[in-house]
Amino acid sequence: GIQVEQSPPDLILQEGANSTLRCNFSDSVNNLQWFHQNPWGQLINLFYIPSGTKQNGRLSATTVATERYSLLYISSSQTTDSGVYFCAVNNYGQNFVFGPGTRLSVLP
Amino acid sequence: DAEITQSPRHKITETGRQVTLACHQTWNHNNMFWYRQDLGHGLRLIHYSYGVQDTNKGEVSDGYSVSRSNTEDLPLTLESAASSQTSVYFCASSDPASGYNEQFFGPGTRLTVL
Repeated sequence: GIQVEQSPPDLILQEGANSTLRCNFSDSVNNLQWFHQNPWGQLINLFYIPSGTKQNGRLSATTVATERYSLLYISSSQTTDSGVYFCAVNNYGQNFVFGPGTRLSVLP
Repeated sequence: DAEITQSPRHKITETGRQVTLACHQTWNHNNMFWYRQDLGHGLRLIHYSYGVQDTNKGEVSDGYSVSRSNTEDLPLTLESAASSQTSVYFCASSDPASGYNEQFFGPGTRLTVL
């Protein structure tokens, strides 16, 4: 089945810094989502982005499906951005496969 | 507002007992999913349903069952709870008819099996 990798596994930032999280996948996909799991465990949808670029406030995401990767950009990070970021992909009718996540800690 | 809810949010049970976790969504989504999340394993698919009376096994289905009698609900049953089933359980739904197949998650149920 499809394999999903995320990097880095852990990231520590000072408040106000920018960061880029990466998601690589091993096969063609037609769906890709980014989620933020906050410290209370809730999974929050960030982007549904099988291709192209989207922006939502300080967050943006780019997926290059032909090269099998997606990037999540966080600008001017805040302590509330802390948590684990997951990407999940699915391949033409198959179920979503989640990556292992990137754990982000933003320090005040 | 449409939403997806799970109950209970926390549950402690004993080995061998039957446990049912509820999932209810008001979006009228055809697709519903159950995942478990464990340290070191991320989110893994237990069972899923693409519509009423349809159920399918996922990656880690042993010891679990689901039934889908209506669009809104997909209860997850642990027939005889085991300590290895201590985990956080998430329900999700999606609507492929929308053309997006974006998954939305419930708040999770933390289950402890003693």
